[in-house]
Amino acid sequence: RKEVEQDPGPFNVPEGATVAFNCTYSNSASQSFFWYRQDCRKEPKLLMSVYSSGNEDGRFTAQLNRASQYISLLIRDSKLSDSATYLCVVNNQGGSYIPTFGRGTSLIVHP
Amino acid sequence: DGGITQSPKYLFRKEGQNVTLSCEQNLNHDAMYWYRQDPGQGLRLIYYSQIVNDFQKGDIAEGYSVSREKKESFPLTVTSAQKNPTAFYLCATTSPAGGLGQFFGPGTRLTVL
Repeated sequence: RKEVEQDPGPFNVPEGATVAFNCTYSNSASQSFFWYRQDCRKEPKLLMSVYSSGNEDGRFTAQLNRASQYISLLIRDSKLSDSATYLCVVNNQGGSYIPTFGRGTSLIVHP
Repeated sequence: DGGITQSPKYLFRKEGQNVTLSCEQNLNHDAMYWYRQDPGQGLRLIYYSQIVNDFQKGDIAEGYSVSREKKESFPLTVTSAQKNPTAFYLCATTSPAGGLGQFFGPGTRLTVL
């Protein structure tokens, strides 16, 4: 079983739609969680951290479910500019920061 | 302007040649990482360094070497022993305790002809 799994998509949605991605992780001792955005042929950029209580940043909401070992990203009112690959990142190690990346979920927002 | 620079952006090399990719940071971060990304794939860890003069192998270290003589610099050498070196190489740093996640350089796209 892969440590961090994501549905690769692509998720094809119209502008204004709400879309949600899930990411499952296998290590119950995982301590920190993040969502990154990666545009085509560019480096990943941090979108948001994921906190146990859930957190929101504008149109983006991230949630963590430790019992079921998954994190989610919800995007409301999708924009064309949201088209990208969204990477789920999980940090499994307590002492050293050695993150594990999911393969990413591709989102295409069309007019 | 704080950040991570990688050079060159594109690199072409003949098969059998060693090549060194540069990574420099002015974020004053202790930890630095090298990843490889292949089309449609996630990032795979090659090497990482938590502190100057120390580094550890990641998941796919074979055919690669690194050095960490200065806090600001973490060059990666792709040796001729690497079977399939054509890929997108990303350098990253981590803020103390990792609470802010990782910061990435713009990457180097290596093509071996």
